[in-house]
Amino acid sequence: SYELTQSPSVSVSPGQTARITCSGDGLPKEYVYWYQQKPGQAPVLVIFKDKERPSGIPERFSGSSSGTAATLTISEVQAEDEADYYCQSSDSSASYRAVFGGGTHLTVL
Amino acid sequence: QVHLVESGGGLVKPGGSLRLSCAASGFTFSDYYMSWIRQAPGGGLEWISYISNGASTMYYGDSVKGRFTISRANSKNSLYLQMNSLRVEDTATYYCARGDPDIGAFDSWGQGTLVTVSS
Repeated sequence: SYELTQSPSVSVSPGQTARITCSGDGLPKEYVYWYQQKPGQAPVLVIFKDKERPSGIPERFSGSSSGTAATLTISEVQAEDEADYYCQSSDSSASYRAVFGGGTHLTVL
Repeated sequence: QVHLVESGGGLVKPGGSLRLSCAASGFTFSDYYMSWIRQAPGGGLEWISYISNGASTMYYGDSVKGRFTISRANSKNSLYLQMNSLRVEDTATYYCARGDPDIGAFDSWGQGTLVTVSS
């Protein structure tokens, strides 16, 4: 089955840049989406179609994708950005099937 | 404002059944596809089911295929998940999520309802 791989954790100091990566063989053919989830809360979409930002999401959140890897970049990290981040894409052989990465916990030191 | 509210979770024994509901408001429900996504305690997100906006097409993840049934009532702005033959590994928080066909993402989520399968 199709899988997306994320590193389990990333740590940065406030004001620094955090980069969270997601890899998968199907990424060259399918868009990537990113969700932020804080403890006890539902996920929130922060990036869609690789690099687009929904209204209300701060500009410090950006996304990119190249080949089999996608990156969520958070510039000038703030304490409130500490959360779990999940990438999501579709199985290119069954586009209705949404696939999530295992999630990356961002710690703001 | 988009609002999704799940209900129906609870404690059930292995082999039992449960029906989850998701009440939608703040948008034209029939314009959007919907999905159920679950999250085991301390775990990641797992997509489990999709239903098209007109309810003509449904898909399921391998882990629930044949046991769960997704449905919707557009006249009632409601989404449902009938869960049968529940297993311990089905224990999770179940979220309903709106799928925006223009952006292809789950752009709104409910707060989730917890299903615990235990003897």
